[in-house]
Formats: sequence, structure tokens, C-alpha cells
Amino acid sequence: AQSVTQLGSHVSVSEGALVLLRCNYSSSVPPYLFWYVQYPNQGLQLLLKYTSAATLVKGINGFEAEFKKSETSFHLTKPSAHMSDAAEYFCAVSESNNDMRFGAGTRLTVKP
Amino acid sequence: NAGVTQTPKFQVLKTGQSMTLQCAQDMNHEYMSWYRQDPGMGLRLIHYSVGAGITDQGEVPNGYNVSRSTTEDFPLRLLSAAPSQTSVYFCASSTLLAGGRYEQYFGPGTRLTVT
Repeated sequence: AQSVTQLGSHVSVSEGALVLLRCNYSSSVPPYLFWYVQYPNQGLQLLLKYTSAATLVKGINGFEAEFKKSETSFHLTKPSAHMSDAAEYFCAVSESNNDMRFGAGTRLTVKP
Repeated sequence: NAGVTQTPKFQVLKTGQSMTLQCAQDMNHEYMSWYRQDPGMGLRLIHYSVGAGITDQGEVPNGYNVSRSTTEDFPLRLLSAAPSQTSVYFCASSTLLAGGRYEQYFGPGTRLTVT
């Protein structure tokens, strides 16, 4: 069965610093992987997705993620954090067309 | 193009009351789903539908009922509310990607409190 583990429920970085949010997955078939962002009191917005094409995926707002099959990871990065990046981030895995499993989420805080 | 809309935004119920959370999408997507979001648990799938007239259970279906009479609407019913159903509920509408998986678009959510 598929599952997702997000390491670190809270991550704090300084403005301008590297953002690294970790996601490891478990899947019995080649997975599709997603990162979503949720701003306070809003729904989830898709940042980027991996669909078995290029392993380095670029998304919106300067974020990117790299699919590493050997490490079963799909970590999200951004070279330079902005205050506006403060939000909760969710990693999700899809094995089949009827099921998507989400991680517990990582809350990103950006310090001035 | 409004995307996915949900009403109400907030709701307080007493234990045992029933209510319906509304969800509508204008993207002509066949696949729609309902999730609940609880702290530290991410989103968990309640029910989903692959088209009008077809629904199925997700990970946490107990206490909830759904129907899909049109492509646009996918209401979620709480038959007898319990405090354990206090949560934020998200409806999603999905487009099919190459390879048979779905990309989901989420509504703004309904924050439900059951006292």
C-alpha cells in the first residue's frame, strides 16, 4: 500500500535561506508524486507534480523537487526563502486513479 | 470559471444533528472527492466519485453519505453528527493525467465544529 512520510512537522528558515522540505514515499508501483501548499484558511494549491517523466520537476513560486527512486524520496527545495512562502506543505503519492495518500504536512515558518 | 466551490465556509452543529456540505465544480471533471483534514494527519479520503451515479468509499467513510446526480455537484451528508467529525472538509475535482492518475483541484474548505 502507498504511504507518505514527511520528516519534520515544523521547519523554520531565515528569509533568503535554502528551503528543504523532506518527503519519503512507499509504493508498490511507479508512483505519481505531488507537492501541495496550503495558506491559512485556504484550500490546497498544487505546487508541482512528478508523473514519471523528468526526475527534476520545477513548480510554481520557484520551488522544485527531485524524484529519487533509490532513496524513495521527493524532497521539495527552494534556493531562497521569501516571507510569502510561509505556509503548510503537503506531499502526496498516487498509485492508482482512485487513491491519493497525503503526508501529515510540514509547516514552514520564514523569519525576517 | 469559479473552479471548485464549497458552502458553507463555517458550520457549528450539535451532536445528533444532520447537515449537507455542498460542493460544485464548473470544470466538467468526472472525478470528485471529499477529504477531511485533521491536525497532524494530513488529508484523508472520505468518499469519491468517478462520474454521475457512481460513488465509492475512501479511507474514512463511516458517518458520511454521498451521492452524485450531476457531473457538477457532489454533496457530503452527515447523518448524525458526532464530535469526532469536527474537522475541516475539502472537496476536490480532478483531471485525468496521462498514465491514468488524477491531478486534484481543491475547494476552499468547510470548517465544521460539532459540540
